[in-house]
Amino acid sequence: GESVGLHLPTLSVQEGDNSIINCAYSNSASDYFIWYKQESGKGPQFIIDIRSNMDKRQGQRVTVLLNKTVKHLSLQIAATQPGDSAVYFCAETVTGGGNKLTFGTGTQLKVEL
Amino acid sequence: GAVVSQHPSRVICKSGTSVKIECRSLDFQATTMFWYRQFPKKSLMLMATSNEGSKATYEQGVEKDKFLINHASLTLSTLTVTSAHPEDSSFYICSAPTHTEAFFGQGTRLTVV
Repeated sequence: GESVGLHLPTLSVQEGDNSIINCAYSNSASDYFIWYKQESGKGPQFIIDIRSNMDKRQGQRVTVLLNKTVKHLSLQIAATQPGDSAVYFCAETVTGGGNKLTFGTGTQLKVEL
Repeated sequence: GAVVSQHPSRVICKSGTSVKIECRSLDFQATTMFWYRQFPKKSLMLMATSNEGSKATYEQGVEKDKFLINHASLTLSTLTVTSAHPEDSSFYICSAPTHTEAFFGQGTRLTVV
C-alpha cells in the first residue's frame, strides 16, 4: 500500500506485503534526507538516509527513493513485519546548516496479521 | 553505536513548578544538541539549539525565559520548563549529532496538572 498526505495519515498493510511511505519536503536547498521510525512513547530511530547526489539507496529490507524535481521522498519496506508498526518521519537538512533537521508530518504504519 | 540518554522518561508536576530534563551523550562529545517538542500524533518541532559554552539559539515563537537551556559540558544539555502550565504538557525529545548522524534521546513525557 501507499500513503501520502499532509496530516498524519495511516497506512495499513498485511504482514508480508510491501509498504510505501511518501514524504514531500519543502526546502529545495536541502541536500541530505533521513527516514526515522518512532515507536509509541520513544524517540526517533534512524532507518536510512540519502544525499541529494543519489536518487536511490537500499538498506536491509528498506529502500529510499529521492525525486528532487518534485521534492519527493519515499520509503519502501519489503515484506512488512508486525515490528515495523510505528510512525515514520522523513527529515531534511542542508549540509553546513548546523545539523538542523526539519521533520515531515509523519505516517502511521499499521501491520495487520 | 552512539547513545543519547534522556532523563526522566516521564514526569508529572504541579502548575507553577519547574521541571528539568537532562540529555546526555554517553559515548561521544556533542558541542551542539537540539531540543524538540512533539504533540500527540504530530511531528517534531525544533524548539532550540543548545550550544556548549554559549547561549542557546531559540526558534521563532519559543520563549527563552520559559524554556531555559544550559549546555554545561560536552556531554550534557538540560532543558528546564519554568513555571509550568498545563499547556506545557508534551513530549520533549533531545538530539545530539555526530558528524555522520543525529541520535535521539528516548523522550520525556511531561504532564502538568
